Amino acid sequence: QVQLEQSGAEVKKPGASVKVSCKTSGYIFIASYLSWVRQAPGQGFEWMGWVNPESGDTVYAQKFQDRVIMTRERSTSTAYMELTSLTSDDTAIYYCAKVTPLYTVTDYWGQGTLVTVSS
Amino acid sequence: DVQMTQSPSSLSASVGDTVTITCRASQSIRSYVNWYQQKPGRAPNLLIYAASSLQSGVPARFSGSGSGTDFTLTISSLQPEDFATYYCQQSFSIPLTFGAGTKVEIK
Repeated sequence: QVQLEQSGAEVKKPGASVKVSCKTSGYIFIASYLSWVRQAPGQGFEWMGWVNPESGDTVYAQKFQDRVIMTRERSTSTAYMELTSLTSDDTAIYYCAKVTPLYTVTDYWGQGTLVTVSS
Repeated sequence: DVQMTQSPSSLSASVGDTVTITCRASQSIRSYVNWYQQKPGRAPNLLIYAASSLQSGVPARFSGSGSGTDFTLTISSLQPEDFATYYCQQSFSIPLTFGAGTKVEIK
C-alpha cells in the first residue's frame, strides 16, 4: 500500500531553517510528483511546490520561491523540503503528498510534520 | 492564480441527511476539481477526483458533479463518521489552490 512517512515535529527559532523528510513506499517513486502543502493552525491549505522525483526538477509557488528548496533521493525514495528564514508565520503542519499524473490529483498524503517557530 | 470559493463555511446536519457543498472557481478549470475530507489531527483523504470520479475505497454516498467553474460535493445519508471538514482543490493550473473548507457538524 502507498505510504508517505514524514519526519518528526520541529521547534525552530526565528531566522533558522527547517528540513522535513518524506520517505515513500508502495508505488514507483519516479512515477508521481511529490508536493509539499502546509496548513497553519486552524487554517486551510497552502501549496508550496513540487518536485519531479525522476528528474529532480522543481516548481515552487511564488510566495516561497526565494526560501524553499525541494529535493529528492532516488536511492531511498525520499523527498525533502527545506524552508529558510523562518518566522512565526511559518508555524504550521507541513505535508508531503503524492500527485498522480492523471488530472494532477493529490491522492496520498503523509501524516504531517508540525513545525513551530518561536523565540 | 485560480481562486476557489467554497460555501457554506459550516453547516449542521443530522445522521441520514443529504448535504451539499459547493465550490466556484475564478475561471474555467474544466473538470480539474478534487474533494478531500479532513478529520481533526489527521491528513486529508481524497474522496472525489476529476469532479465526479469516486476514489477507490470511498463509500458511494459521496458524489461530485460540475464542470467549468461550478462544482458540488454531495453526501447522501450522512453517517456519524462523515462529520469532518471538506475541502475542494483545483488541479488545473499551478499553483494548486484549495477552497477554505466546509465544516460539517452534528445538529
